[in-house]
Amino acid sequence: EAQVTQNPRYLITVTGKKLTVTCSQNMNHEYMSWYRQDPGLGLRQIYYSMNVEVTDKGDVPEGYKVSRKEKRNFPLILESPSPNQTSLYFCASSLSMAPQQPQHFGDGTRLSIL
Amino acid sequence: AQKVTQAQTEISVVEKEDVTLDCVYETRDTTYYLFWYKQPPSGELVFLIRRNSFDEQNEISGRYSWNFQKSTSSFNFTITASQVVDSAVYFCALTRPPSSASKIIFGSGTRLSIRP
Repeated sequence: EAQVTQNPRYLITVTGKKLTVTCSQNMNHEYMSWYRQDPGLGLRQIYYSMNVEVTDKGDVPEGYKVSRKEKRNFPLILESPSPNQTSLYFCASSLSMAPQQPQHFGDGTRLSIL
Repeated sequence: AQKVTQAQTEISVVEKEDVTLDCVYETRDTTYYLFWYKQPPSGELVFLIRRNSFDEQNEISGRYSWNFQKSTSSFNFTITASQVVDSAVYFCALTRPPSSASKIIFGSGTRLSIRP
């Protein structure tokens, strides 16, 4: 089954404790992206990757890191999480970076930073 | 500046009523794409439709229809004979051509509640 898988689905942690949210897709998609969803703000793009070893900042990259060492994986790293990073996070992928390609989303990861 | 506005934060209608969700966008690009996504209560995001800036034909898919008007920079979504299963948050999104920084801009979403 074609899918984007995020882990964990839920995480409660404390300020400053490094965490990684994994994202994996099995569709051989080139383009992957991370978003955060906050009430009243919709989804905002954090980082995206056009292919292996090619990443770039989205609209709200501060406090986040990503890597794309393999085509299927695109982990989101919070080196020193803070309470303002409490949010619902979505990973997405699409066949290519061509803007007409629809995004396929994971089920989301709800992070709470205390 | 690129922007997507969904002015309706929440809409509540009775089942079988028709409902229209508004989406207004701003862009200086001549080539762009517009999307609608659905987020049901279970939380996942589901692609509904894509429209490119050169194609102003309206589209109908079952009870769903979309009205794209470049003159008013709008891409509205209508559900005919709404059903309880249509209850969800709906997002409109704008993407830019590859020559630009590859940004996808979402509206803030409209929460649609269909009452039985």
